[in-house]
Amino acid sequence: AQSVTQLDSQVPVFEEAPVELRCNYSSSVSVYLFWYVQYPNQGLQLLLKYLSGSTLVKGINGFEAEFNKSQTSFHLRKPSVHISDTAEYFCAVGPLGRLYFGRGTQLTVWP
Amino acid sequence: ETGVTQTPRHLVMGMTNKKSLKCEQHLGHNAMYWYKQSAKKPLELMFVYNFKEQTENNSVPSRFSPECPNSSHLFLHLHTLQPEDSALYLCASSQERVRGGYNEQFFGPGTRLTVL
Repeated sequence: AQSVTQLDSQVPVFEEAPVELRCNYSSSVSVYLFWYVQYPNQGLQLLLKYLSGSTLVKGINGFEAEFNKSQTSFHLRKPSVHISDTAEYFCAVGPLGRLYFGRGTQLTVWP
Repeated sequence: ETGVTQTPRHLVMGMTNKKSLKCEQHLGHNAMYWYKQSAKKPLELMFVYNFKEQTENNSVPSRFSPECPNSSHLFLHLHTLQPEDSALYLCASSQERVRGGYNEQFFGPGTRLTVL
């Protein structure tokens, strides 16, 4: 079975500070891992994905994530956030044609 | 139009009404999905269509009835809904590969449904 746990439901942070959004997964098969972002009143947009190869994955808007197989984690990081990064972030695991999502983490960036 | 579009963006309906949500993808994909997004809950996959055939139905109540007339269009027909069905309904599409592999899903903006 596959599942995703996002450890923080809300993460408040000040502008220009670094941020880490945590994601742990469980899967009995090889996985593909994703982070999606949802801005208010919009659908989900893919930030980045891990399929294979380098464990450090870079995405759009300056975000990156590191796949850690031993810890079954795929944490999302950004060294310096902007107010425009305020959104909900979803981690997902997708073995072969099916996505399982976490509950989401609301990132709020304060000026 | 590009990507995945959904209409209407907002819908308010009574419990006895019948309405339909529409999704259209302009990406040439062969798989389409309906998700339900409720407050404080993970995205729930409702239905999956591959090559116009329904391949997954996650125990969705029969008051939700999907229809996929072709690989570009997906409908969700609604009737006798309950207030707890109020949610954001998201449509997505992807290109499924015969030999498997990852499927990046592209999402529409969603329909915000309120059932009174």
